[in-house]
Amino acid sequence: AQTVTQSQPEMSVQEAETVTLSCTYDTSESDYYLFWYKQPPSRQMILVIRQEAYKQQNATENRFSVNFQKAAKSFSLKISDSQLGDAAMYFCAYRSEVTSGTYKYIFGTGTRLKVLA
Amino acid sequence: NAGVMQNPRHLVRRRGQEARLRCSPMKGHSHVYWYRQLPEEGLKFMVYLQKENIIDESGMPKERFSAEFPKEGPSILRIQQVVRGDSAAYFCASSPRRLRLPGANVLTFGAGSRLTVL
Repeated sequence: AQTVTQSQPEMSVQEAETVTLSCTYDTSESDYYLFWYKQPPSRQMILVIRQEAYKQQNATENRFSVNFQKAAKSFSLKISDSQLGDAAMYFCAYRSEVTSGTYKYIFGTGTRLKVLA
Repeated sequence: NAGVMQNPRHLVRRRGQEARLRCSPMKGHSHVYWYRQLPEEGLKFMVYLQKENIIDESGMPKERFSAEFPKEGPSILRIQQVVRGDSAAYFCASSPRRLRLPGANVLTFGAGSRLTVL
């Protein structure tokens, strides 16, 4: 079974600085998707960025980028120029693309990011 | 284009009562997922449904919990004889068909339903 591990329960970053959130996963599949979701205090889950495993190029979305290391099964999120609005829980998620799979999304336990003014 | 709509946003039940949580997926989405989030914890998969079919319910407790997604109407997560341990936020998410198109494999979440069991 696939698992997603976020080993940092909490991280802090100074406003305007850069922070990296870690995520590792375990799977025997070769085709899958990886995601980072953000959950602010409102509890609304918001997609931050996604990565297809078959793409070697790391995904970027404005100030957010990922470092996808397929062989190491690592998928870290880098937030540049951190803003107060980035403060939230961040969840890493995995979804299989195997046709025999059930396509359920598996989430990590989350990293709480605090942004210091 | 309304997003994923969940109701009620807040539900209070006494032990032994039934709780029904409803979820209307985004327009055009045919897949619905239910997740449970306990305080200060991550999202735990419960069940994955398509219209009139339960695809994967491996995360749902065998007793007291059931889910459906009828041909017409919202998906419903039903919890019978609630206990205090059922107190949590329940999130519904939807996605379109599984195609390799931008956004096709992205989960869109509702705002969640917070269940409190007294």
